Amino acid sequence: GENVEQHPSTLSVQEGDSAVIKCTYSDSASNYFPWYKQELGKRPQLIIDIRSNVGEKKDQRIAVTLNKTAKHFSLHITETQPEDSAVYFCAASLGPGTYKYIFGTGTRLKVLA
Amino acid sequence: NAGVMQNPRHLVRRRGQEARLRCSPMKGHSHVYWYRQLPEEGLKFMVYLQKENIIDESGMPKERFSAEFPKEGPSILRIQQVVRGDSAAYFCASSPPGQGAGYTFGSGTRLTVV
Repeated sequence: GENVEQHPSTLSVQEGDSAVIKCTYSDSASNYFPWYKQELGKRPQLIIDIRSNVGEKKDQRIAVTLNKTAKHFSLHITETQPEDSAVYFCAASLGPGTYKYIFGTGTRLKVLA
Repeated sequence: NAGVMQNPRHLVRRRGQEARLRCSPMKGHSHVYWYRQLPEEGLKFMVYLQKENIIDESGMPKERFSAEFPKEGPSILRIQQVVRGDSAAYFCASSPPGQGAGYTFGSGTRLTVV
């Protein structure tokens, strides 16, 4: 079946450094790629997303890149802060629409002060 | 706008009992999606509903699970004869018509089966 692989599963960085999380997807029909941040015991929150007709998108310290040919997409967080510590999930839309997502297994990011 | 509201936040059921999880979408949203998250895992799609219609239930287990979104009232995810493996966090999301992308999740219901 279709799947999304996410790496690394855990990531520790020093405050102020950058963090990069990478995902690959298998469904060629995927055309929408959201990223969610989930703090312990809380709901997943959408932090950034990208559509297949765009290669890169940036929002302040967060950026996402997409390589459709290689079926890779990545999340980049610059100037990390302790409050960035959370679990991050990538996702890819499944099938012809954008309403159903398949999620990666998550990256636990720890920003060390 | 109160966002997507789910209740209860925590639900404990004994094996064999029924669990009912409720989701009220954001104001103006008529599309609802249910996902399940097992501990230390990502979310898995269960079902997509519009008012009075199930659009896609490809992620729903074939037995014991059902969902509805009536004309009036919240969407309900119902699990009959719960088993320990049903213990998980169940998240609901909603969107306006035609905007399935980037939906917002509710705070979830954490179901524990004892």
